[in-house]
Amino acid sequence: ETGVTQTPRHLVMGMTNKKSLKCEQHLGHNAMYWYKQSAKKPLELMFVYSLEERVENNSVPSRFSPECPNSSHLFLHLHTLQPEDSALYLCASSQDKGGGSGANVLTFGAGSRLTVL
Amino acid sequence: AQSVTQPDIHITVSEGASLELRCNYSYGATPYLFWYVQSPGQGLQLLLKYFSGDTLVQGIKGFEAEFKRSQSSFNLRKPSVHWSDAAEYFCAVDGGSQGNLIFGKGTKLSVKP
Repeated sequence: ETGVTQTPRHLVMGMTNKKSLKCEQHLGHNAMYWYKQSAKKPLELMFVYSLEERVENNSVPSRFSPECPNSSHLFLHLHTLQPEDSALYLCASSQDKGGGSGANVLTFGAGSRLTVL
Repeated sequence: AQSVTQPDIHITVSEGASLELRCNYSYGATPYLFWYVQSPGQGLQLLLKYFSGDTLVQGIKGFEAEFKRSQSSFNLRKPSVHWSDAAEYFCAVDGGSQGNLIFGKGTKLSVKP
Protein backbone atom coordinates (compact mmCIF):
# COMPACT_ATOMS: atom_id res chain seq x y z
CA GLU A 1 0.00 0.00 0.00
CA THR A 2 1.24 3.50 -0.79
CA GLY A 3 0.57 7.06 0.33
CA VAL A 4 -1.28 8.04 3.47
CA THR A 5 -4.03 5.77 4.76
CA GLN A 6 -6.63 6.80 7.33
CA THR A 7 -9.03 4.56 9.22
CA PRO A 8 -11.88 4.53 9.84
CA ARG A 9 -13.25 6.56 6.95
CA HIS A 10 -16.47 7.23 8.85
CA LEU A 11 -17.11 7.28 12.59
CA VAL A 12 -20.23 8.08 14.58
CA MET A 13 -19.85 8.43 18.32
CA GLY A 14 -21.71 9.67 21.31
CA MET A 15 -20.37 12.40 23.55
CA THR A 16 -19.32 9.91 26.23
CA ASN A 17 -17.54 7.48 23.92
CA LYS A 18 -13.82 6.99 23.49
CA LYS A 19 -12.54 6.26 20.00
CA SER A 20 -9.36 6.65 17.99
CA LEU A 21 -8.48 7.70 14.48
CA LYS A 22 -5.51 6.04 12.83
CA CYS A 23 -3.15 7.31 10.16
CA GLU A 24 -0.37 5.40 8.44
CA GLN A 25 2.08 6.69 5.86
CA HIS A 26 4.18 4.54 3.54
CA LEU A 27 6.28 7.36 2.11
CA GLY A 28 9.25 7.35 4.49
CA HIS A 29 8.35 10.84 5.66
CA ASN A 30 9.57 12.29 8.96
CA ALA A 31 6.72 14.67 9.78
CA MET A 32 3.03 13.96 10.31
CA TYR A 33 0.05 16.26 10.88
CA TRP A 34 -3.56 16.30 11.98
CA TYR A 35 -5.88 18.86 10.37
CA LYS A 36 -9.55 19.54 11.08
CA GLN A 37 -11.80 20.48 8.17
CA SER A 38 -15.18 21.96 9.09
CA ALA A 39 -17.77 23.33 6.72
CA LYS A 40 -17.11 26.90 5.59
CA LYS A 41 -13.91 27.21 7.62
CA PRO A 42 -10.28 26.97 6.55
CA LEU A 43 -8.35 23.84 7.35
CA GLU A 44 -7.20 24.06 10.94
CA LEU A 45 -3.84 22.63 11.89
CA MET A 46 -4.21 20.66 15.12
CA PHE A 47 -0.94 18.84 15.76
CA VAL A 48 2.47 18.43 14.17
CA TYR A 49 4.92 15.63 14.84
CA SER A 50 8.48 15.60 13.61
CA LEU A 51 10.50 12.43 14.10
CA GLU A 52 7.84 11.22 16.52
CA GLU A 53 8.14 14.30 18.70
CA ARG A 54 5.23 16.70 19.01
CA VAL A 55 6.41 20.10 17.87
CA GLU A 56 3.15 21.98 17.68
CA ASN A 57 -0.19 21.92 19.41
CA ASN A 58 -2.48 24.66 18.15
CA SER A 59 -4.50 25.23 21.31
CA VAL A 60 -6.48 22.08 20.72
CA PRO A 61 -8.84 21.02 23.54
CA SER A 62 -7.58 18.19 25.70
CA ARG A 63 -10.44 15.96 24.55
CA PHE A 64 -8.22 15.41 21.50
CA SER A 65 -5.08 13.47 22.34
CA PRO A 66 -2.50 12.65 19.64
CA GLU A 67 -0.04 9.81 19.71
CA CYS A 68 2.87 9.11 17.37
CA PRO A 69 4.49 5.77 18.28
CA ASN A 70 6.81 5.82 15.25
CA SER A 71 7.39 7.91 12.15
CA SER A 72 4.89 5.89 10.11
CA HIS A 73 1.90 5.96 12.44
CA LEU A 74 -0.18 8.71 13.97
CA PHE A 75 -3.27 8.40 16.15
CA LEU A 76 -5.87 10.84 17.36
CA HIS A 77 -7.59 9.65 20.52
CA LEU A 78 -11.03 11.11 21.08
CA HIS A 79 -13.00 11.30 24.33
CA THR A 80 -15.99 13.25 25.61
CA LEU A 81 -16.35 15.10 22.33
CA GLN A 82 -18.92 17.78 21.57
CA PRO A 83 -21.25 17.97 18.56
CA GLU A 84 -19.21 20.90 17.23
CA ASP A 85 -16.27 18.53 16.91
CA SER A 86 -18.05 16.84 14.01
CA ALA A 87 -15.80 17.37 11.00
CA LEU A 88 -13.47 15.72 8.52
CA TYR A 89 -10.14 14.95 10.17
CA LEU A 90 -7.26 14.86 7.73
CA CYS A 91 -3.89 13.32 8.31
CA ALA A 92 -0.90 14.43 6.26
CA SER A 93 2.80 13.76 6.07
CA SER A 94 5.84 15.53 4.64
CA GLN A 95 9.48 14.64 4.15
CA ASP A 96 10.51 17.04 6.85
CA LYS A 97 8.71 19.56 8.98
CA GLY A 98 9.81 22.43 6.79
CA GLY A 99 10.27 26.02 7.81
CA GLY A 100 13.23 28.25 7.17
CA SER A 101 14.77 27.34 3.85
CA GLY A 102 12.67 24.23 3.52
CA ALA A 103 9.11 24.03 2.34
CA ASN A 104 6.28 21.78 3.32
CA VAL A 105 4.91 19.59 0.57
CA LEU A 106 2.12 17.71 2.28
CA THR A 107 0.62 14.43 1.20
CA PHE A 108 -2.88 13.98 2.60
CA GLY A 109 -4.93 10.97 3.45
CA ALA A 110 -8.58 10.68 2.42
CA GLY A 111 -9.77 11.73 5.86
CA SER A 112 -11.97 10.35 8.64
CA ARG A 113 -15.49 11.79 8.71
CA LEU A 114 -16.48 12.13 12.37
CA THR A 115 -20.02 12.70 13.56
CA VAL A 116 -20.63 13.36 17.25
CA LEU A 117 -24.20 12.83 18.43
CA ALA B 1 0.69 36.81 10.44
CA GLN B 2 0.37 34.95 7.19
CA SER B 3 -3.06 34.63 5.64
CA VAL B 4 -4.65 33.42 2.44
CA THR B 5 -7.80 34.81 0.84
CA GLN B 6 -9.80 33.03 -1.82
CA PRO B 7 -12.49 35.58 -2.69
CA ASP B 8 -14.74 33.23 -4.62
CA ILE B 9 -16.63 30.65 -2.58
CA HIS B 10 -18.28 28.97 -5.56
CA ILE B 11 -17.67 29.24 -9.29
CA THR B 12 -19.58 27.56 -12.12
CA VAL B 13 -18.08 27.26 -15.60
CA SER B 14 -19.13 25.43 -18.73
CA GLU B 15 -17.15 22.43 -19.86
CA GLY B 16 -14.49 23.55 -22.31
CA ALA B 17 -14.42 27.10 -20.98
CA SER B 18 -11.35 28.64 -19.39
CA LEU B 19 -10.95 28.90 -15.64
CA GLU B 20 -9.22 31.25 -13.24
CA LEU B 21 -9.39 30.83 -9.48
CA ARG B 22 -8.12 33.71 -7.42
CA CYS B 23 -5.79 33.59 -4.44
CA ASN B 24 -4.27 36.45 -2.47
CA TYR B 25 -1.80 35.98 0.33
CA SER B 26 -0.36 38.08 3.08
CA TYR B 27 3.28 37.52 3.91
CA GLY B 28 6.28 39.83 4.21
CA ALA B 29 8.93 37.82 2.40
CA THR B 30 8.79 35.56 -0.64
CA PRO B 31 6.39 32.81 0.25
CA TYR B 32 6.13 29.22 -0.80
CA LEU B 33 2.74 28.86 -2.47
CA PHE B 34 0.59 25.85 -3.22
CA TRP B 35 -2.66 24.84 -4.84
CA TYR B 36 -4.43 21.69 -3.69
CA VAL B 37 -7.59 20.06 -5.02
CA GLN B 38 -10.12 18.04 -3.03
CA SER B 39 -12.66 15.80 -4.72
CA PRO B 40 -15.79 14.86 -2.75
CA GLY B 41 -15.04 12.44 0.05
CA GLN B 42 -11.31 12.61 -0.56
CA GLY B 43 -8.24 14.23 0.91
CA LEU B 44 -6.28 17.04 -0.68
CA GLN B 45 -4.06 16.43 -3.69
CA LEU B 46 -1.21 18.74 -4.64
CA LEU B 47 -1.78 20.43 -8.02
CA LEU B 48 1.30 22.63 -8.14
CA LYS B 49 3.71 24.67 -6.05
CA TYR B 50 5.84 27.78 -6.32
CA PHE B 51 9.12 28.01 -4.44
CA SER B 52 11.26 30.37 -6.56
CA GLY B 53 12.35 31.09 -10.11
CA ASP B 54 9.90 31.21 -13.00
CA THR B 55 6.71 32.85 -11.78
CA LEU B 56 4.54 30.73 -14.06
CA VAL B 57 4.38 27.18 -12.74
CA GLN B 58 2.87 24.15 -14.37
CA GLY B 59 1.02 21.47 -12.47
CA ILE B 60 -0.84 18.27 -12.98
CA LYS B 61 -4.08 17.88 -14.91
CA GLY B 62 -3.28 20.83 -17.19
CA PHE B 63 -3.34 23.48 -14.45
CA GLU B 64 -0.96 26.38 -14.14
CA ALA B 65 -0.56 29.27 -11.71
CA GLU B 66 1.20 32.59 -11.85
CA PHE B 67 2.92 34.25 -8.90
CA LYS B 68 2.60 38.03 -8.96
CA ARG B 69 4.52 39.63 -6.14
CA SER B 70 3.19 43.12 -6.84
CA GLN B 71 -0.37 41.90 -6.42
CA SER B 72 0.34 39.30 -3.71
CA SER B 73 -1.51 36.84 -5.86
CA PHE B 74 -1.14 33.27 -7.01
CA ASN B 75 -4.08 32.61 -9.32
CA LEU B 76 -4.80 29.17 -10.72
CA ARG B 77 -5.73 28.78 -14.39
CA LYS B 78 -6.78 26.13 -16.85
CA PRO B 79 -7.48 26.87 -20.53
CA SER B 80 -10.24 24.28 -20.97
CA VAL B 81 -12.16 22.78 -18.07
CA HIS B 82 -13.27 19.16 -18.04
CA TRP B 83 -16.25 17.80 -16.08
CA SER B 84 -13.82 15.84 -13.91
CA ASP B 85 -12.32 19.12 -12.66
CA ALA B 86 -15.40 19.71 -10.49
CA ALA B 87 -13.98 19.79 -6.96
CA GLU B 88 -12.89 22.19 -4.25
CA TYR B 89 -9.63 24.05 -4.71
CA PHE B 90 -7.44 25.33 -1.89
CA CYS B 91 -4.63 27.84 -2.02
CA ALA B 92 -1.99 27.67 0.71
CA VAL B 93 1.07 29.58 1.81
CA ASP B 94 4.08 28.35 3.75
CA GLY B 95 6.25 31.15 4.88
CA GLY B 96 6.58 30.97 8.61
CA SER B 97 9.49 29.80 10.68
CA GLN B 98 7.41 26.88 11.84
CA GLY B 99 6.95 25.78 8.26
CA ASN B 100 3.24 25.20 8.57
CA LEU B 101 0.81 25.63 5.71
CA ILE B 102 -1.91 28.26 6.01
CA PHE B 103 -4.91 27.43 3.83
CA GLY B 104 -7.58 29.58 2.28
CA LYS B 105 -11.24 28.69 2.76
CA GLY B 106 -11.41 27.09 -0.66
CA THR B 107 -13.29 27.66 -3.91
CA LYS B 108 -15.82 25.09 -5.03
CA LEU B 109 -15.85 24.57 -8.78
CA SER B 110 -18.93 23.28 -10.58
CA VAL B 111 -18.79 22.37 -14.27
CA LYS B 112 -21.85 22.65 -16.52
CA PRO B 113 -22.16 20.21 -19.42
